[in-house]
Amino acid sequence: DSGVTQTPKHLITATGQRVTLRCSPRSGDLSVYWYQQSLDQGLQFLIQYYNGEERAKGNILERFSAQQFPDLHSELNLSSLELGDSALYFCASSISGGKETQYFGPGTRLLVL
Amino acid sequence: GQNIDQPTEMTATEGAIVQINCTYQTSGFNGLFWYQQHAGEAPTFLSYNVLDGLEEKGRFSSFLSRSKGYSYLLLKELQMKDSASYLCAVRVDYGQNFVFGPGTRLSVLP
Repeated sequence: DSGVTQTPKHLITATGQRVTLRCSPRSGDLSVYWYQQSLDQGLQFLIQYYNGEERAKGNILERFSAQQFPDLHSELNLSSLELGDSALYFCASSISGGKETQYFGPGTRLLVL
Repeated sequence: GQNIDQPTEMTATEGAIVQINCTYQTSGFNGLFWYQQHAGEAPTFLSYNVLDGLEEKGRFSSFLSRSKGYSYLLLKELQMKDSASYLCAVRVDYGQNFVFGPGTRLSVLP
């Protein structure tokens, strides 16, 4: 158990819908990262937050957005869902977002039908 | 662009040693990470290299050569539970934060 929690574990929805994925970092960690893992593309970095502020942006679509709240939990919002958005979404946290390692949550498996 | 290459699959025998290679071409470099990922589970951290040379951690060792854009993960005394995917990731300085390789699926046979 990494100490990072994610909800829900599974999500099934339809194309065109909007969903919110939630992540709580390890106690004491200020930085949160979001990743998407699909079968054909491997693990893709989406976005990083540090202490409530966006720090780095990767391959995140405009239909996706995220935020980190004052209590340091983070939410990833996915809208206008497409079939290709079906994937595992991981959240990871680290102490400061520097050179230290990240600890991954168990992931949310999203299926878009 | 950013590019990381790893072999797609490898097979080895229980008790043996296996070396998983990773080559990278990225716009910046601020460390190389190795993660282990069992099917359907989250990646777990194995090792971190930022300077050239070998880092040893029990049955796992990782090597880095920054001039060659090359790293390897060495697994000794293989166990069945080592059957998993091994992900190489580079932390870059500019723009994108982490770039992950496609992963190497290792099968350990009895």
